[in-house]
Amino acid sequence: DVKVTQSSRYLVKRTGEKVFLECVQDMDHENMFWYRQDPGLGLRLIYFSYDVKMKEKGDIPEGYSVSREKKERFSLILESASTNQTSMYLCASSDRGGNQPQHFGDGTRLSIL
Amino acid sequence: AQKITQTQPGMFVQEKEAVTLDCTYDTSDPSYGLFWYKQPSSGEMIFLIYQGSYDQQNATEGRYSLNFQKARKSANLVISASQLGDSAMYFCAMRELLYNFNKFYFGSGTKLNVKP
Repeated sequence: DVKVTQSSRYLVKRTGEKVFLECVQDMDHENMFWYRQDPGLGLRLIYFSYDVKMKEKGDIPEGYSVSREKKERFSLILESASTNQTSMYLCASSDRGGNQPQHFGDGTRLSIL
Repeated sequence: AQKITQTQPGMFVQEKEAVTLDCTYDTSDPSYGLFWYKQPSSGEMIFLIYQGSYDQQNATEGRYSLNFQKARKSANLVISASQLGDSAMYFCAMRELLYNFNKFYFGSGTKLNVKP
């Protein structure tokens, strides 16, 4: 069965900290994505990766970076956390086929104090 | 311009009745895919149904069907015989298969409440 695993369900950090959110998929998918979800705004794409070591900016990349050293793992990094980065973060992966949906992890609810 | 528009922030439906959730999209890509996801209060996103732009028939998956009107650029989700467990957020999404193959565009969602 398809599985996308995010390292933490809930996380509390302080402003200025460097924060790592990890995501692992077991489906051998080429594409991986990081979104943040805020009420009334739907899902906004932060970064995505279509291959190992490849990354592309999404709609809201400011304040974030990503790393994909292995195909199954895609990390989101908040370089210096700020309170406006308090949000739900969702990781997803998809196969290359055009009719293939994204498969999502359970999400990480991140609070920055 | 918004790629995906969901104009109903919230909806109520009586248990066992059918409900339609609206979705319109905007693209100049001749080839695209449309997806619907369900997000219960627990937070996970669950894929429900897919419609390709060249599919001749409307997609169906169990109690879910997609009312695809290409000329109007709409892809409404129809849930038949609503159940209490259908209460959730529903998101419409699009993937442009030629121009931005690796990106998915999401709407802002519709919160559905099923009343007993």
